[in-house]
Amino acid sequence: DVKVTQSSRYLVKRTGEKVFLECVQDMDHENMFWYRQDPGLGLRLIYFSYDVKMKEKGDIPEGYSVSREKKERFSLILESASTNQTSMYLCASSLGGDREKLFFGSGTQLSVL
Amino acid sequence: KQEVTQIPAALSVPEGENLVLNCSFTDSAIYNLQWFRQDPGKGLTSLLLIQSSQREQTSGRLNASLDKSSGRSTLYIAASQPGDSATYLCAVQNTGRRALTFGSGTRLQVQP
Repeated sequence: DVKVTQSSRYLVKRTGEKVFLECVQDMDHENMFWYRQDPGLGLRLIYFSYDVKMKEKGDIPEGYSVSREKKERFSLILESASTNQTSMYLCASSLGGDREKLFFGSGTQLSVL
Repeated sequence: KQEVTQIPAALSVPEGENLVLNCSFTDSAIYNLQWFRQDPGKGLTSLLLIQSSQREQTSGRLNASLDKSSGRSTLYIAASQPGDSATYLCAVQNTGRRALTFGSGTRLQVQP
């Protein structure tokens, strides 16, 4: 089975801190995604990557950046955390092409105080 | 821009009932549609994926149908069990786009 691992289950950070969320997949997937999930708003795409060092903005990229230096690892960076970035962050991956199942990690619940 | 709507937002049924969850989408130019399950505080698990050329997919007690022209999909759960209690989300992948667009989900509770 595909395993998508997010490094932290819960995180508490202060406003203005730089925050790194890490995601690793173990099945050589080409595509990796970062979503955030908020009550009433559903899942919204922040960024995705379809290859090493390749990235594309999603629907809500403001305040975030990403890094994909190795195929298996996709990092989400909050340059200066703000309270409106308190959310559940979900990482996902898929094999490649355009018609593949999406596999999710367990999520990181981030609280910015 | 694709919009995905799921109705109802919440549903409570007694154990053993057959039930249908609904999903609608505004742009019919899709590659596929996926149904996911999410338990509280957890990530999503893919249940079924229907390609745009298919009409339905089945897995155990679950059956998902797709009517691309009308922009609708249904997830049928037969003989519901308390363990089916979760939030069910549908998501579509548009032609030429790698990422999925998600609905807000239907929160299902199956009463023992």
